[in-house]
Amino acid sequence: GQQVMQIPQYQHVQEGEDFTTYCNSSTTLSNIQWYKQRPGGHPVFLIQLVKSGEVKKQKRLTFQFGEAKKNSSLHITATQTTDVGTYFCAGGAGNNRKLIWGLGTSLAVNP
Amino acid sequence: GAGVSQSPRYKVAKRGQDVALRCDPISGHVSLFWYQQALGQGPEFLTYFQNEAQLDKSGLPSDRFFAERPEGSVSTLKIQRTQQEDSAVYLCASSLDPTTYGYTFGSGTRLTVV
Repeated sequence: GQQVMQIPQYQHVQEGEDFTTYCNSSTTLSNIQWYKQRPGGHPVFLIQLVKSGEVKKQKRLTFQFGEAKKNSSLHITATQTTDVGTYFCAGGAGNNRKLIWGLGTSLAVNP
Repeated sequence: GAGVSQSPRYKVAKRGQDVALRCDPISGHVSLFWYQQALGQGPEFLTYFQNEAQLDKSGLPSDRFFAERPEGSVSTLKIQRTQQEDSAVYLCASSLDPTTYGYTFGSGTRLTVV
């Protein structure tokens, strides 16, 4: 079945360092969404990418969707302690509104 | 309402007990999803409604799990004869159109079966 792999599973960084998480799908996706879940919290929608090769930025966050629409990445520049949490990618396929979720990357930031 | 509301926030059930978890989606959101999230894992799809129609229930782990949304707004997830492996956070999410706007999640119900 469809799978979305996300790496790394965990990442520790010093405050100010950059961070990247990668998402790879076994099949072509119609769209990919990114969510952030703070410890003890629920997933919060960050962004959706739809077009092949699309790049979107939100302040220090840069999201990319691969040309083949099978992979995506989230890059955070100069991490802050407020960036702590688990980042999930979730891919959609066709008309099915059910997203296939990665297992998430947990980010810890040392002040 | 302003967000997706779930109740109760926490539920402790004795093994074999039936439980009912409630979700109040954002007003006007036609799509409603139930997910199960185990500790340290990503959300696992359970079921999906569009208005009152349950369009996909392929993620429900057994026939002990049942979900309904009779009037196209509030939804209830019912688990009969709870087992220890049912212990998890149950997340409800709603969306105006999930392919455009993403999901808005509720805070979840943490179910512990003892």
